Amino acid sequence: EIVLTQSPATLSLSPGERATLSCRASQSVSSYLAWYQQKPGQAPRLLIYDASNRATGIAARFSGSGSGTDFTLTISSLEPEDFAVYYCQQRSLPPWTFGQGTKVEIK
Amino acid sequence: EVQLVESGGALVQPGGSLRLSCAASRFMFIYYNMNWVRQVPGKGLEWVSHISSSSSTSDYADSVKGRFTISRDNVKNLLFLQMTSLRAEDTAVYYCARDLRGTEGAFDIWGRGTMVTVSS
Repeated sequence: EIVLTQSPATLSLSPGERATLSCRASQSVSSYLAWYQQKPGQAPRLLIYDASNRATGIAARFSGSGSGTDFTLTISSLEPEDFAVYYCQQRSLPPWTFGQGTKVEIK
Repeated sequence: EVQLVESGGALVQPGGSLRLSCAASRFMFIYYNMNWVRQVPGKGLEWVSHISSSSSTSDYADSVKGRFTISRDNVKNLLFLQMTSLRAEDTAVYYCARDLRGTEGAFDIWGRGTMVTVSS
């Protein structure tokens, strides 16, 4: 199965700062990579699909890039509601797999 | 508002069985592929199973293959997960999740989850 490795495990930033999250795949997933946000006690929410497409209703400060094995989620200017855990996920080859998550916490 | 609501989670003994349900509302259920995804509290996400819109195809994670069965009722807008031979490691919150239209494996709508605890 394809293993996704996210880095860093934790990102400590202040509101207004730029967040850059990384996801690396153990083999090429083409552009079939998604990003999700999860807050405590809530279900995940789709942010980005197919590497760079924002899901419906997602703010423009969220952007995704990359292809093949290396992907990035960027939050251009952190809002208070953006502090959460972020997961990447591939749908290139079943079983669809998730990364272990990056926690974005308030510094 | 588009909604998925899971039910059926419970405390069950190892080796036991359980059937989860997911009720879909406010969208054309018959047009969408559906999935189950689970999460051990405080841990990461694991895709469990997928079923196509017409039930023609289904797939499972190796960890549940042969023990879990996914199905759906497109008349009643329901998704199911029949779980047998349950193990302690199946303990998790189980989410149903809708595939983004025209894709397989991008989950655009999630339910709030139902807790399954396997313990004696």
